[in-house]
Amino acid sequence: DAKTTQPPSMDCAEGRAANLPCNHSTISGNEYVYWYRQIHSQGPQYIIHGLKNNETNEMASLIITEDRKSSTLILPHATLRDTAVYYCIVSAGAGTALIFGKGTTLSVSS
Amino acid sequence: GAVVSQHPSWVICKSGTSVKIECRSLDFQATTMFWYRQFPKQSLMLMATSNEGSKATYEQGVEKDKFLINHASLTLSTLTVTSAHPEDSSFYICSASRGTSGINEQFFGPGTRLTVL
Repeated sequence: DAKTTQPPSMDCAEGRAANLPCNHSTISGNEYVYWYRQIHSQGPQYIIHGLKNNETNEMASLIITEDRKSSTLILPHATLRDTAVYYCIVSAGAGTALIFGKGTTLSVSS
Repeated sequence: GAVVSQHPSWVICKSGTSVKIECRSLDFQATTMFWYRQFPKQSLMLMATSNEGSKATYEQGVEKDKFLINHASLTLSTLTVTSAHPEDSSFYICSASRGTSGINEQFFGPGTRLTVL
């Protein structure tokens, strides 16, 4: 079973920041937090990952709470192309399967 | 980022036939590959884990004799759906793991849509 909890859906206006929360209260010390997204009928796309520090890349920012029990993915300026299902996954080291929960369906509208 | 391809992207077959789906890591060697299945409006469900040169490990409820997985090289894994039936119609997605330690870098293929008539 997935070890994360996410809201089933969120809406965001184009150009605004989209903040997607994730709870992972049972995360272990060696587990990373990964975020992927899936646009309709495509394979999942990697977005970002983190262990305990906040991370930023060209796609998004990841804010992890100090106790590591929750995190927030931030898309700073959402566009219509960001409409997708966003999955938050906790996983241990390389070679272990990523277990997908139900994710959050983000709808970006103009 | 690393690229993973799948072939074919879609296939339609008659009930009772077998279908082979290929998953290739194009620019890296994948120590481990994974196969997922996704039904409409549902999340990805892990079917099996395969390591090059070893037998695949199947998740509970996945019939290993029906879903044959071969991982013959570090860049190729195949999933064969034997004697396919309409209930096997689904979106099949593979992923390839690049790392051997530390960060779990996985890259997903574009998926194969199987329709069994």
